[in-house]
Amino acid sequence: NAGVMQNPRHLVRRRGQEARLRCSPMKGHSHVYWYRQLPEEGLKFMVYLQKENIIDESGMPKERFSAEFPKEGPSILRIQQVVRGDSAAYFCASSPDKESQFFGPGTRLTVL
Amino acid sequence: QQQVKQSPQSLIVQKGGISIINCAYENTAFDYFPWYQQFPGKGPALLIAIRPDVSEKKEGRFTISFNKSAKQFSLHIMDSQPGDSATYFCAALYATSGTYKYIFGTGTRLKVLA
Repeated sequence: NAGVMQNPRHLVRRRGQEARLRCSPMKGHSHVYWYRQLPEEGLKFMVYLQKENIIDESGMPKERFSAEFPKEGPSILRIQQVVRGDSAAYFCASSPDKESQFFGPGTRLTVL
Repeated sequence: QQQVKQSPQSLIVQKGGISIINCAYENTAFDYFPWYQQFPGKGPALLIAIRPDVSEKKEGRFTISFNKSAKQFSLHIMDSQPGDSATYFCAALYATSGTYKYIFGTGTRLKVLA
């Protein structure tokens, strides 16, 4: 059973471009969470999704950020018009239930 | 109230020693407390977890001690090894508005000297 997969692992964007981060949950997991981690800091919750539904997006900035988890395919975290402050590691976690969360390897976004 | 305070920020331990990392919380609605281990360039991996109705849980060299009245829990790594050198995060889970949310501590960077 493959773990949580994220791609790309590293992403470089110039200011103003769009960043699209993908997450494929573990097989059988219907809950997906996105977190942001700044250097030397903990994980900050961004959004919680189930298939075709955003359950909780209270941790996600209101502008420029969006997330989806379609019926088919990976979950996508999309950041429009990136700024330098968006540079961080973005982790996706999937869960078969409310408790145990399994993290992917992360996408490290660098905004030039 | 939704914070989990973790200490120390960094820790250096000799090989064979005991590493102790502490976390404290305010929200009594938290009902699941996992610890995660993260190596550089990797995602966090679940290490061990405990529920508030248990005061201690042990898995191999890793033990969680939980003090419900003090709202504190700690991770003990016995016989610490250089391979344990990583960043450790405590977390707490609570239900809110029909969903479940993790709150993470700020992490402890552990270095075990050979």
